[in-house]
Amino acid sequence: GAVVSQHPSWVICKSGTSVKIECRSLDFQATTMFWYRQFPKQSLMLMATSNEGSKATYEQGVEKDKFLINHASLTLSTLTVTSAHPEDSSFYICSARDLDRVGNTEAFFGQGTRLTVV
Amino acid sequence: AQKVTQAQTEISVVEKEDVTLDCVYETRDTTYYLFWYKQPPSGELVFLIRRNSFDEQNEISGRYSWNFQKSTSSFNFTITASQVVDSAVYFCALRGSGTYKYIFGTGTRLKVLA
Repeated sequence: GAVVSQHPSWVICKSGTSVKIECRSLDFQATTMFWYRQFPKQSLMLMATSNEGSKATYEQGVEKDKFLINHASLTLSTLTVTSAHPEDSSFYICSARDLDRVGNTEAFFGQGTRLTVV
Repeated sequence: AQKVTQAQTEISVVEKEDVTLDCVYETRDTTYYLFWYKQPPSGELVFLIRRNSFDEQNEISGRYSWNFQKSTSSFNFTITASQVVDSAVYFCALRGSGTYKYIFGTGTRLKVLA
């Protein structure tokens, strides 16, 4: 149980286009999901908190108009990179918490999406 | 402010050697959680361990062991008899109570040479 799946696993897009990344909790419900970004050989940095049915909360320095987050259901959050540029090339990874698990547990991470903008 | 420091950027060892990865954290929370993750070249994060701030017992799982010391704010990870398959980037992470935001360290790249 507690599987988080991201799609696609990797994507190459042209500069100026938009790319949508999906994060799904396959066997549990998650009112909150988190989006992280990892540049090559760097750490994971939290970009935003995705809240089901409400607006996402963005970390300082993250452009909300560029990284659109939609959390329309308890099992799906999407991150859309709008007007992507080569500097947006990165590894994007989401995490989610299983609401039904008793007590504090770890969040579960997706397998990540490697975005390359050419 | 919360912070996780992994001072070792890269470590190379020869197979069968023991290796310790260091992690030092900062937090003002009295309740918090520490984690170690393994990230192989494919990129996914493999969960290794979670430790609660009120449980300082060390833990051993096979060749892996963890030493949690609140007095020094450290949560070090030791691999005994390292194997080539242990080669990966290892991240230490921290989260406070009441949130599922993770603060990650910068990671330690471990290379185990045959």
